[in-house]
Amino acid sequence: KNQVEQSPQSLIILEGKNCTLQCNYTVSPFSNLRWYKQDTGRGPVSLTIMTFSENTKSNGRYTATLDADTKQSSLHITASQLSDSASYICVVSENNNDMRFGAGTRLTVKP
Amino acid sequence: DGGITQSPKYLFRKEGQNVTLSCEQNLNHDAMYWYRQDPGQGLRLIYYSQIVNDFQKGDIAEGYSVSREKKESFPLTVTSAQKNPTAFYLCASKRVAGSGNTIYFGEGSWLTVV
Repeated sequence: KNQVEQSPQSLIILEGKNCTLQCNYTVSPFSNLRWYKQDTGRGPVSLTIMTFSENTKSNGRYTATLDADTKQSSLHITASQLSDSASYICVVSENNNDMRFGAGTRLTVKP
Repeated sequence: DGGITQSPKYLFRKEGQNVTLSCEQNLNHDAMYWYRQDPGQGLRLIYYSQIVNDFQKGDIAEGYSVSREKKESFPLTVTSAQKNPTAFYLCASKRVAGSGNTIYFGEGSWLTVV
């Protein structure tokens, strides 16, 4: 069973709308959680990184939240743009440096 | 420009052939990684290297081989023993092999068996 579960698997929204992507994990001991954006056929690019003590971190229109008690994270995208169409991957690192990848959420922003 | 360069971007392999994917980084990173990405699945670790002349198997190493003769280079060979090699392959690197450092990815290589 994958230790990092993302939902939804795919999402379609209209340009200008907001959306929230979810990441639940069972990885332990927890070190940090990252969100990556991956355009089709390209390598993932880091959006945010959060450690155990951080609850919220923003990067422009992207805001990530972390609840280390419930082992949940979310990525909120505000005022979506066509260029936000991509896969968003949640990556959780253990203290021993192992990284566990979620399967990603495929976001499509339509005009 | 600093970054990770993977080549080729697209590669076709015949049954029974070995092929090698190149990965070069000029970020002076110590750790390098190879991942395989299949549709609907998370990235899976094939091999990783934390230092020159040393590498370790990841979760799906069977049918693959690597070398780390230089700090900046970490080529991946997909051997004929890999029964289902068609996938998107990503190379990555990190400054040191610690959990707090960000991992950077190359642009990926598509391998197709024909």
